[in-house]
Amino acid sequence: NAGVTQTPKFRILKIGQSMTLQCTQDMNHNYMYWYRQDPGMGLKLIYYSVGAGITDKGEVPNGYNVSRSTTEDFPLRLELAAPSQTSVYFCASSYDKVTGELFFGEGSRLTVL
Amino acid sequence: GESVGLHLPTLSVQEGDNSIINCAYSNSASDYFIWYKQESGKGPQFIIDIRSNMDKRQGQRVTVLLNKTVKHLSLQIAATQPGDSAVYFCAENPMDSSYKLIFGSGTRLLVRP
Repeated sequence: NAGVTQTPKFRILKIGQSMTLQCTQDMNHNYMYWYRQDPGMGLKLIYYSVGAGITDKGEVPNGYNVSRSTTEDFPLRLELAAPSQTSVYFCASSYDKVTGELFFGEGSRLTVL
Repeated sequence: GESVGLHLPTLSVQEGDNSIINCAYSNSASDYFIWYKQESGKGPQFIIDIRSNMDKRQGQRVTVLLNKTVKHLSLQIAATQPGDSAVYFCAENPMDSSYKLIFGSGTRLLVRP
């Protein structure tokens, strides 16, 4: 049971480049989330999904897009990378809406230069 | 507004002593609280949760206390071990945000041998 798997673990982008952070979970969880964590700060919700085909914005969605074509996968897309998007990104999933445990991936560290 | 914060950004304790990590929240309507542990280079890991109809909940070596009167949450770790060294986050689930948690900025716990 792999849990939540994120790729890549590290990436350096130039300003204006695009990339996709991949996230997949094998726990058959309906709920999935993308968070970003800036140094010394807590987690901020970017986007979330309550099931395949359904996504919604979190606290800090600007500059990002997501899709949820399957229960397992929830990729996060950065279209025009900016230095402000330098952060560590965490994907998470949960069985139920957020009154229970979130299972997090190990994170993807993104640097935009 | 909604906010979750912590009183002490860094806590240093002697191995074997008990640790107490504190958290204040501002939304009196919040009904669910979670503590997460984040080790260096890893994603957050669920420790323990508590609902607003409780004032205490115990786990293995951990106890969470909730004081709704002063909107205060604490995590007590008994017989602190080197493996407890990590950043600890409290998170709040406001009743009007069923699908997202609000995380505090974290407290770093350092265990001295």
